[in-house]
Amino acid sequence: RKEVEQDPGPFNVPEGATVAFNCTYSNSASQSFFWYRQDCRKEPKLLMSVYSSGNEDGRFTAQLNRASQYISLLIRDSKLSDSATYLCVVNVRGFQKLVFGTGTRLLVSP
Amino acid sequence: EAQVTQNPRYLITVTGKKLTVTCSQNMNHEYMSWYRQDPGLGLRQIYYSMNVEVTDKGDVPEGYKVSRKEKRNFPLILESPSPNQTSLYFCASRAQTGDEQFFGPGTRLTVL
Repeated sequence: RKEVEQDPGPFNVPEGATVAFNCTYSNSASQSFFWYRQDCRKEPKLLMSVYSSGNEDGRFTAQLNRASQYISLLIRDSKLSDSATYLCVVNVRGFQKLVFGTGTRLLVSP
Repeated sequence: EAQVTQNPRYLITVTGKKLTVTCSQNMNHEYMSWYRQDPGLGLRQIYYSMNVEVTDKGDVPEGYKVSRKEKRNFPLILESPSPNQTSLYFCASRAQTGDEQFFGPGTRLTVL
């Protein structure tokens, strides 16, 4: 089983739609969780950290469910510019090692 | 501007010809790391460094070497490249106490 698993998609949604991605992780001792965004052939960039209490940044909401070992990302009112690959990232063995999921591709169409 | 730079951005080479990909950061970060990204496999860590003269293997270190003689630089060395090292490579850095990992723009390497 992969340490971090994501549905690769693609998720095809119209502008204005709400879309949610889930990511599961296998190590219950994981401590830190993040969502990164990667545009085609570009470097990943931090979108948001995921805290136990959940957190929101504008149209983006991230949730952590430790009992079921998954994190989620909700995007409301999707924009064309949201089209990208979203990487789930988990700190598995101390902060020196981040494990990346393979990413979920989102395509927002007019 | 705070950034991580990599050179070269694109490289086509032949099997066995030693090459070095440079990585430099101007944020005084302690932690630096190299990843390779392949379709369907995601980002996999090759080597990381927690500070000057401190390096350790990641998940896929075979065929690679690194050094950390200065805080700002973390070059990736392929002594004898092989076609299975054809990939997109990213260098990244992070402050010791920070959450965010900053990535360089990537180096697309093709080994023929």
